Amino acid sequence: GAGVSQSPSNKVTEKGKDVELRCDPISGHTALYWYRQSLGQGLEFLIYFQGNSAPDKSGLPSDRFSAERTGGSVSTLTIQRTQQEDSAVYLCASSLSGMRGYTFGSGTRLTVV
Amino acid sequence: QKEVEQNSGPLSVPEGAIASLNCTYSDRGSQSFFWYRQYSGKSPELIMFIYSNGDKEDGRFTAQLNKASQYVSLLIRDSQPSDSATYLCAVRNSGNTPLVFGKGTRLSVIA
Repeated sequence: GAGVSQSPSNKVTEKGKDVELRCDPISGHTALYWYRQSLGQGLEFLIYFQGNSAPDKSGLPSDRFSAERTGGSVSTLTIQRTQQEDSAVYLCASSLSGMRGYTFGSGTRLTVV
Repeated sequence: QKEVEQNSGPLSVPEGAIASLNCTYSDRGSQSFFWYRQYSGKSPELIMFIYSNGDKEDGRFTAQLNKASQYVSLLIRDSQPSDSATYLCAVRNSGNTPLVFGKGTRLSVIA
C-alpha cells in the first residue's frame, strides 16, 4: 500500500484479556518496528524485524508481549493478559534498507479497563 | 543506556519568528539524526534527517549537527501557527537499527 496501515485504530479491552494489533508495512520495506507511546511520554521501542533475520526483542517490557512477522510483510503484536499499564498508542513503522528514517502508521490506541 | 535529551517546552514564538529546537545525545557512535513532527493525536512524520556535521536546509527548515558536541538542532524560519506541534529528535547507530527518540519539545507559534 501507499502507507503503513495499522488495525484496529482503537481497541478497548478488559484487564486480563489478550489483544492482537496488526501492521501492514509499505510494500518493499524490509524493516519493521513497533513502538508504544503513553500519554505525555516519548516513543518506547518494543521490537524490530529486518528481513529474514531474528527479530530484536530487546524493548519488549515483559513476556506478555510478543510479535511475529509473516512472509516478511504483515506483523502482529500480541499482548497477553493485558494490564492497565499497557494502555498506550502502539505505533508501527517501516523503512527501506539504508540510513533513512522510517514512516509511521496511524497507530492503535489501546485502552485497558 | 542511549539517551536523547530535549527540552519539553512549551517553546512559544510569535508568527514569522525563527524557532530553534535543540537536542543532545549520549551515544558517540550515533551516525544519523532525525527530526519528526507530531501533531496532537497524530503519528510522527519525518521532517528531516542529517548525517554529516554542519547544516542541511530544506525549505523553511534547517537541521544542524555538531558531532563533537553531540548536539543537533532544528531551526524553523518564518514560523507559522500550523508549525505548532511536538518535535521529536531521534538518533540511530547504523543501518536499520531502531531509532532512539527524545521525549519531544512542544512548539507553540502565536499568531
